Amino acid sequence: GAVVSQHPSWVICKSGTSVKIECRSLDFQATTMFWYRQFPKQSLMLMATSNEGSKATYEQGVEKDKFLINHASLTLSTLTVTSAHPEDSSFYICSATDLPPEQYFGPGTRLTVT
Amino acid sequence: KQEVTQIPAALSVPEGENLVLNCSFTDSAIYNLQWFRQDPGKGLTSLLLIQSSQREQTSGRLNASLDKSSGRSTLYIAASQPGDSATYLCAVRAQGGSEKLVFGKGTKLTVNP
Repeated sequence: GAVVSQHPSWVICKSGTSVKIECRSLDFQATTMFWYRQFPKQSLMLMATSNEGSKATYEQGVEKDKFLINHASLTLSTLTVTSAHPEDSSFYICSATDLPPEQYFGPGTRLTVT
Repeated sequence: KQEVTQIPAALSVPEGENLVLNCSFTDSAIYNLQWFRQDPGKGLTSLLLIQSSQREQTSGRLNASLDKSSGRSTLYIAASQPGDSATYLCAVRAQGGSEKLVFGKGTKLTVNP
C-alpha cells in the first residue's frame, strides 16, 4: 500500500512554455502533499506544501507565480512550471501523507528545459 | 535554520564489508529522523524512521542510531551487497508537528562485487 505516482516521469520542453506535473496517491487519501526539487548532487529542497482545498504554502525563495500548485482532491496535486527556463531543469519529487509522520514519495519527474 | 550534513559524500566498498554512514544536524529539537534510499533517477524509499525518544531502529541488515543531544545519526549496513548500491539520504523533521523534512545531500554508496 501507500503508493504515490507521478506523471510524466520525464519531460522536455522549450524555454518559455509551461509544463504540468501530476502527483497522485493511488491507494490512500492524502491530506497533505509536498513538492521537492533536487539538483544534481544536491539535497532535496522543499518547494511547497499543499493541503487539499486550500492554497499551497511556499518555502522562502520559491516563486509562487512561477510554480503553480493545485491540490484539488485528496488524491491529486499538480505542479505547473510556468514560462520555464533552462535553470528550472531539475528533478521534481512529490510526497504525500495521510497519517503523520510517514511521507510516501513519488518516483520523480525529470524536467529538461531547452 | 536546520542544516543536515552527511559524510562521506561518496563511499566505495567491496562486497561483504560492514559500513557506517554518518548524518549530523545542527538543531537538536527534532521530532524524528528518517533514512531513505534513492536509486539513480528514482524517488525515495524509506528505510528506517527513528522517533526523537528512540536510540535506534533495526530492519534486516540495517541499523540506525540516533544521538539527539549531539545531533548525530548513523546508518550501519551489515554484510553489504552490490544491490545496496544507491544514494542514502538522511532527513529530520522538526518538533512542533510540522511535516517538513530537511534533507542532507546524501552519501553515494557503491558496493563492488
